[in-house]
Amino acid sequence: DIQMTQSPSNLSAFVGDRVTITCRASQSISSWLAWYQQKPGKAPKLLIYKASSLESGVPSRLSGSGSGTEFTLTISSLQPDDFATYYCQQYNSYPWTFGQGTKVEIK
Amino acid sequence: EVQLVESGGGLVQPGGSLRLSCAASGFIFSSYWMSWVRQAPGKGLEWVANIKQDGSEKYYVDSVKGRFTISRDNAKNSLYLQMNSLRAEDTAVYYCARESTVAFGGVIVIGYFDYWGQGTLVTVSS
Repeated sequence: DIQMTQSPSNLSAFVGDRVTITCRASQSISSWLAWYQQKPGKAPKLLIYKASSLESGVPSRLSGSGSGTEFTLTISSLQPDDFATYYCQQYNSYPWTFGQGTKVEIK
Repeated sequence: EVQLVESGGGLVQPGGSLRLSCAASGFIFSSYWMSWVRQAPGKGLEWVANIKQDGSEKYYVDSVKGRFTISRDNAKNSLYLQMNSLRAEDTAVYYCARESTVAFGGVIVIGYFDYWGQGTLVTVSS
């Protein structure tokens, strides 16, 4: 199975800060990576697919990059609506696997 | 509007069985792979199983192989998860999710989830 490791696990930041979350795969997954946002008590929401493609309706302050084994999700200017938990997920090979999550909190 | 509505969760004893359902609307259900994804209380996301458009291919995470069965009824726009021999570690919110089916360079790619249901809680406890 491909293991996905996110860092950091927790992050405190101010509104307006630039935030970067890293996701590493235990083996190459090309660009077959998605990012999701989840708020408490809610289902996850797709943000980015194929490592850098922004899902329709997602604000452009979010961006994704990377390929192979290292990927990043960047929020250029953190907004109050961005405080949530973020997950990466690989879909290169079965079983599809998620990172453990990164909780972004208000500083 | 795409909607996925899960039902069938509840409290079950270890070793027991439960059948989850997911009613889909707002899209052509028979055109998409569908998945179940679960989340234990306070934990991360875990993909459980998926099924091809016509039900001819099914894949499972190792921890549920031989115990869970995914199925679908395209005439009823419904997805199911039959869960047998339930264990305490199966306790989770179970989400139904649509796998985006997109062509990249002429190749159909599946595997990421563009729509999710609200989830149904399964608690395995005596």
